[in-house]
Order: sequence, then structure tokens, then C-alpha cells
Amino acid sequence: ETGVTQSPTHLIKTRGQQVTLRCSSQSGHNTVSWYQQALGQGPQFIFQYYREEENGRGNFPPRFSGLQFPNYSSELNVNALELDDSALYLCASSLTLAGGYEQYFGPGTRLTVT
Amino acid sequence: GENVEQHPSTLSVQEGDSAVIKCTYSDSASNYFPWYKQELGKRPQLIIDIRSNVGEKKDQRIAVTLNKTAKHFSLHITETQPEDSAVYFCAASIGGSARQLTFGSGTQLTVLP
Repeated sequence: ETGVTQSPTHLIKTRGQQVTLRCSSQSGHNTVSWYQQALGQGPQFIFQYYREEENGRGNFPPRFSGLQFPNYSSELNVNALELDDSALYLCASSLTLAGGYEQYFGPGTRLTVT
Repeated sequence: GENVEQHPSTLSVQEGDSAVIKCTYSDSASNYFPWYKQELGKRPQLIIDIRSNVGEKKDQRIAVTLNKTAKHFSLHITETQPEDSAVYFCAASIGGSARQLTFGSGTQLTVLP
């Protein structure tokens, strides 16, 4: 198992609400990426944070936002939840951008929007 | 942007046989190709990866090959065991500051005892 942890494990929200998901990266890793994995599909890149700044973004609307803290943990915030936001949200941590390529995933947060 | 296609979507093999999963990518700038194994309800686990300066990499029963000219790469599992049953995802990453991974759609591998 990797040292990447996520909370909460499961979450049920109502359409229109807001949600915050949390991720603690593996020790020594300063880069965190977030992915959305819909049922039966591969993960889709949302965005990446490096040293507390957004460093790349996938094809997701602005209501998906994030933060990275000085200890390299991270948050994913989703506003105005839609039914299609129901998915497994994965964070992945990696070493410095110039160093290791490998990304190690956390266990994910299963978000259900009703 | 990058597009990764993966096939087959499902694969059943007898225990002890070999399994091969193939992926193609669209962006010739991609230079890193990992493979992840995801068991039901669990996180994707990195099982092997290859960089564009290498044509083949092997780790015990698992090997990956890369053909940069044809823009495709493959996962080979030999002597399959029931515990190899899972969904396997290939991915590609373009070099640069944001190493975003573009994933394939996955292959459900079932190893029959």
C-alpha cells in the first residue's frame, strides 16, 4: 500500500451542494494530482498542484478547484454539485516534477450526488 | 490533447496462460507509459512503467513493450494466476511540468482456475 491517504471514504451529497475532499501525500512527495473515475472508466485528470500552486488542469469546469498546503496535503473542492459528479475521486502523489515520474494513488473518495 | 485507446476491454485466460493488453496513444510527445492494476473497490496500483528511451522492461512475470514509431505499447503477463484478475489501465504522460496521466478505458482480466 502507498502512503497516500484520503478522506472521507464515502460521501453522499445533494445536487447544488458543495463538497471538500482531502488528500495526504506520501512522505517526501511534493506534487499532488487529482483524478475523477466514473464507474467503469479510467481516471480523468482534474488538476495538479506543485508547491501550493496549480500546475496543470484537465477539461473540468471552474467549479472544480483545489488547494495544496505547506505540508503538501491537498483539498479538492466542488461547488454546485451535479448528478454527473458522482464518481470515485482519486488523488495521486509524486516526487518533484523534475524527478520521479511515478504517481501513487490514494484509496479514493466515493462521492454520490442525489 | 493526448488520447489513449486500450483493448481488449475484457480478456479471459486459463491459469498459467499468457495475457496481452495493448494500448495506442496519439501524441508523439508522450514519454512515460505506466500500467496500473485496480482490484474491485481498491486504488489503482502501479505495476510497471516504461519511458520512451527504452523499448522493453520486465519485472518477473510482467513485461511492457513500447513501439514509439507506431505509438503503441503493450502489457504482457506470463504464467497468469487467479490473483492477477483485475482491471488493468494503461496511461500516457507528456513530458513537461505537469505530468498529467491520460488513461485508457481499462481491460477486465479474468484468470480462470
